Amino acid sequence: EVQLVESGGGLVQSGGSLRLSCVVSGFTVSNNYMSWVRQAPGKGLEWVSIIYSGDNIYYADSVKGRFTISRHNSNNTLYLQMNSLRPEDTAVYYCARVPEYDGFDVWGQGTLVTVSS
Amino acid sequence: DIVLTQSPDSLAVSLGERATINCKSSHTLYSSNHKNYLVWYQQKPGQPPKLLIYWASTRASGVPDRFSGSGSGTDFTLTISSLQAEDVAVYYCQQYSSSPPEYTFGQGTKLEI
Repeated sequence: EVQLVESGGGLVQSGGSLRLSCVVSGFTVSNNYMSWVRQAPGKGLEWVSIIYSGDNIYYADSVKGRFTISRHNSNNTLYLQMNSLRPEDTAVYYCARVPEYDGFDVWGQGTLVTVSS
Repeated sequence: DIVLTQSPDSLAVSLGERATINCKSSHTLYSSNHKNYLVWYQQKPGQPPKLLIYWASTRASGVPDRFSGSGSGTDFTLTISSLQAEDVAVYYCQQYSSSPPEYTFGQGTKLEI
């Protein structure tokens, strides 16, 4: 069964750091494009970052220089290291798989990150 | 940056009636490989988004055939042919553009009965 399970969210002060994890089962992280998408409370969806199977990495301008996406192939896990957090980073963070049509076909349940000022 | 604008922001449709949601892009989404990189999602409260349609008109696996997508270039439409109670949700369109890779969502359309 294909499943993505995020963890690592929580309450952090402005300027702090968090690392999110997304444990994947049912397919191999290293052979797929993987992404993070976030959703502020009551708001729409915002793409955050993507890591390609060849290790090319891209970020939304809003997080560039502060967030780092990575993966650990041996434990089939995707990560998002978030530094210099701001109140506007408060959101539910989803990990998702990105197939060839460049949508997001499999999503985790999300993990809530709250940044207090 | 490409901007996607959905209309309307909210929509009330009776059970069994047709629902139509529009998505307009600020730039063409038609690629050199003859594909429109436009995707539709459904999101119910407390749940992650669910993929409905990709390449503007291809229904994802398991999606009921009352959901259909159409359009090309800059103007796209999601149609629900006969609204069911379980279709109450927020619907989002999303585009992909390269150089550099960027994924953008519309603001969402809330569909109610």
